Amino acid sequence: EVHLVQSGAEVKKPGESLKISCKGSGYSFTSYWIGWVRQMPGKGLECMAIIHPGDSDPRHSPSLQGQVTISADKSISTAYLQWSSLKASDTAMYYCARQRGSYGDDAFDIWGQGTMVTVSS
Amino acid sequence: EIVLTQSPGTLSLSPGERATLSCRASQSVSASYLAWYQQKPGQAPRLLIYGASSRATGIPDRFSGSGSGTDFTLTISRLEPEDFAVYYCQQYGSSPGTFGQGTKVEIK
Repeated sequence: EVHLVQSGAEVKKPGESLKISCKGSGYSFTSYWIGWVRQMPGKGLECMAIIHPGDSDPRHSPSLQGQVTISADKSISTAYLQWSSLKASDTAMYYCARQRGSYGDDAFDIWGQGTMVTVSS
Repeated sequence: EIVLTQSPGTLSLSPGERATLSCRASQSVSASYLAWYQQKPGQAPRLLIYGASSRATGIPDRFSGSGSGTDFTLTISRLEPEDFAVYYCQQYGSSPGTFGQGTKVEIK
């Protein structure tokens, strides 16, 4: 069975760094693009970036580029989302999700359980 | 960046009724790369429809999608109690994709 399992909830202070993870299993991890989707409290979904784990080719949302770094380690079937300096406005639930196809332009058919990130002084 | 606008914001209906949700794009969505998701409180979203009209695996046939270009529709033919949730459209033709703001389907 195909699964994406995300790392646990985080509580951080403004200015701190953070890296959250998403581990895939049950399929060929390098064959499907993985994306990160943000959901701020009580709000809708925003696609932040996607990456091809096979060659680590990233594509960022123009409105969110530069705020986060997406990466992947194909040797351990894991994708990451990283911040160098967190802000209170980064408080949100973050989902990783797998695209259906292999070309970077498909719907997300498998979702992780979500990682809640809370940034507060 | 393609902006998706969903309407209405909230739809109040009774079980057994038909639900019609709209998603309008600020520019044409290439190759009908439009998906619909359902999200219930405390859960991750679930893919319902991709390619504007294809049902994802395991999705009941009371869910159907239609449309092309800039106007898309999700129809739930007869609402079941488990269908009351928030629904999002997403375009993925312009990578990495954008979502609409959501339509909440609530029990009347």
